[in-house]
Amino acid sequence: GAVVSQHPSWVICKSGTSVKIECRSLDFQATTMFWYRQFPKQSLMLMATSNEGSKATYEQGVEKDKFLINHASLTLSTLTVTSAHPEDSSFYICSARDQTEKLFFGSGTQLSVL
Amino acid sequence: DAKTTQPTSMDCAEGRAANLPCNHSTISGNEYVYWYRQIHSQGPQYIIHGLKNNETNEMASLIITEDRKSSTLILPHATLRDTAVYYCIVPHNAGNMLTFGGGTRLMVKP
Repeated sequence: GAVVSQHPSWVICKSGTSVKIECRSLDFQATTMFWYRQFPKQSLMLMATSNEGSKATYEQGVEKDKFLINHASLTLSTLTVTSAHPEDSSFYICSARDQTEKLFFGSGTQLSVL
Repeated sequence: DAKTTQPTSMDCAEGRAANLPCNHSTISGNEYVYWYRQIHSQGPQYIIHGLKNNETNEMASLIITEDRKSSTLILPHATLRDTAVYYCIVPHNAGNMLTFGGGTRLMVKP
């Protein structure tokens, strides 16, 4: 199946700093990518929909100024957690839809904010 | 997305078939049923999807009832590596984002 690469796999940062997570579709073009967040023992929660060449669409309750999304090309979307705080510690997962309309997921990024 | 209902957890003996049920009684005529699984600390993995007919691939089989109100994912010979949370999802549009419910935590035991 299609491959979605997410980097980094894990990151530890100090409170107040910003962290960028990259999501790449390796063998297909993705006009739309999705960003999810998952807390321990909970299901995935959709944060935002990333659209190539336009602004992202955020789910209710997700701060767009805190979670900056950039989808500058058909193969790359980035999520930047700005001024991170310990409560932002979570597992972040991106996904992208290939030409067969199936959704493929990255391997996830475990963010720990100290 | 159409609401889906799955058992919270299930156990299965290694080598035996694992049958994971899903109810989706509000499904519409054009909505597909997707199955994904998530192994601990990894991103979800696509397993299979279907509309009306039963489907089979190298990973699993999907049995959809005639009225489409429920389906069963079958792992024919479960292994310890199949231990994961299995999600049954019915997105409103085939190309839409996926909304994840609680899923079924499958534990395959030796």
